[in-house]
Amino acid sequence: GAGVSQTPSNKVTEKGKYVELRCDPISGHTALYWYRQSLGQGPEFLIYFQGTGAADDSGLPNDRFFAVRPEGSVSTLKIQRTERGDSAVYLCASSNQGGDTQYFGPGTRLTVL
Amino acid sequence: DAKTTQPNSMESNEEEPVHLPCNHSTISGTDYIHWYRQLPSQGPEYVIHGLTSNVNNRMASLAIAEDRKSSTLILHRATLRDAAVYYCILRDSPGTYKYIFGTGTRLKVLA
Repeated sequence: GAGVSQTPSNKVTEKGKYVELRCDPISGHTALYWYRQSLGQGPEFLIYFQGTGAADDSGLPNDRFFAVRPEGSVSTLKIQRTERGDSAVYLCASSNQGGDTQYFGPGTRLTVL
Repeated sequence: DAKTTQPNSMESNEEEPVHLPCNHSTISGTDYIHWYRQLPSQGPEYVIHGLTSNVNNRMASLAIAEDRKSSTLILHRATLRDAAVYYCILRDSPGTYKYIFGTGTRLKVLA
């Protein structure tokens, strides 16, 4: 079956612009995670959704970052007033429920010029 | 915060076994130990997980110390396709699904 998909695969933007990154989880998975991965580092937790609600958003670095999952499936990570330090690969994962095996998407590589 | 410690890199010859260690001295009694790996330019993929007993699956084996403060991922016969970064991960704290990845071990497999 279809795995986790993320769009776009690459996004180049200018400092100060707004970006949206999309994640399509595996159908039926209630848990969804966003991570950020900088070069040479492991994935860093950003937020976890159980259904439509953000059960844990403690990893969001500041209020420029926001994520939604209005219907409990597709999720969008939104970054306002982008900064060069936001450049990274943003990974999405889903699981059947919280704590189960996570299935990762290929990531979106964000470059802020 | 939960913390895992892994060697930055390891090398193995093809067709030989590989033992990848992980220290997790702060693990709580109910935490599972998860292992994922990340091939170049891909998202991480699940390898194996365990709680107390040693575990085997088609990809690998997981040996967990009796005190649960360390574990070892065992690849029985390394292939070139096993070259990846291997992460041992725990939850940040009980009751949360915030997983902490760390920097992992980069495994190089020599032909």
